[in-house]
Amino acid sequence: GAGVSQSPRYKVAKRGQDVALRCDPISGHVSLFWYQQALGQGPEFLTYFQNEAQLDKSGLPSDRFFAERPEGSVSTLKIQRTQQEDSAVYLCASSLNQANQPQHFGDGTRLSIL
Amino acid sequence: AQKVTQAQTEISVVEKEDVTLDCVYETRDTTYYLFWYKQPPSGELVFLIRRNSFDEQNEISGRYSWNFQKSTSSFNFTITASQVVDSAVYFCALSEALGYSTLTFGKGTMLLVSP
Repeated sequence: GAGVSQSPRYKVAKRGQDVALRCDPISGHVSLFWYQQALGQGPEFLTYFQNEAQLDKSGLPSDRFFAERPEGSVSTLKIQRTQQEDSAVYLCASSLNQANQPQHFGDGTRLSIL
Repeated sequence: AQKVTQAQTEISVVEKEDVTLDCVYETRDTTYYLFWYKQPPSGELVFLIRRNSFDEQNEISGRYSWNFQKSTSSFNFTITASQVVDSAVYFCALSEALGYSTLTFGKGTMLLVSP
């Protein structure tokens, strides 16, 4: 498809487990963003990539959160030793470049930590 | 610091009614961008509009219109003759003109349109 693809769509994990969430951006999009959306809230910024470079990770809530985009295309958000407060929808967005072009979002991964 | 406030948590209307979703923002930047996104139950955020801070002209796209008032830091969104398919959560967002264009979102307004 032509849109941003995220997998899995749903993820259930036990507290303490590690999880990995995948984002496949629109082909050719330089910028990639991860957002966290808690229930009933707006998305909150986690981290930003320009190609393979992670230029901003100021929104990552703790050092248990790690993101990478090694070849400047697919990105993975990893959460280690998950905790219940990590339960949220994780949204990935991509845009053509960083000059305020509209961000195109995927359907998100709904993460539930038991 | 940037902030977006959507004071209306939920709005319920009957089909064909007009409805306005409010958005008030705070920023110290003189140049910035404002956005509206729609989030249907499927979860995907759908881009609706982007405006830059220098362009205060109101915009109309079909049944949608936007009123940008810099003097009151507001960027309101009106749906004319609402339809059931308009039911969704609507987010207003702000980004600075420079930097990485990270979006700062409001908490969203849930719009329920009943037949």
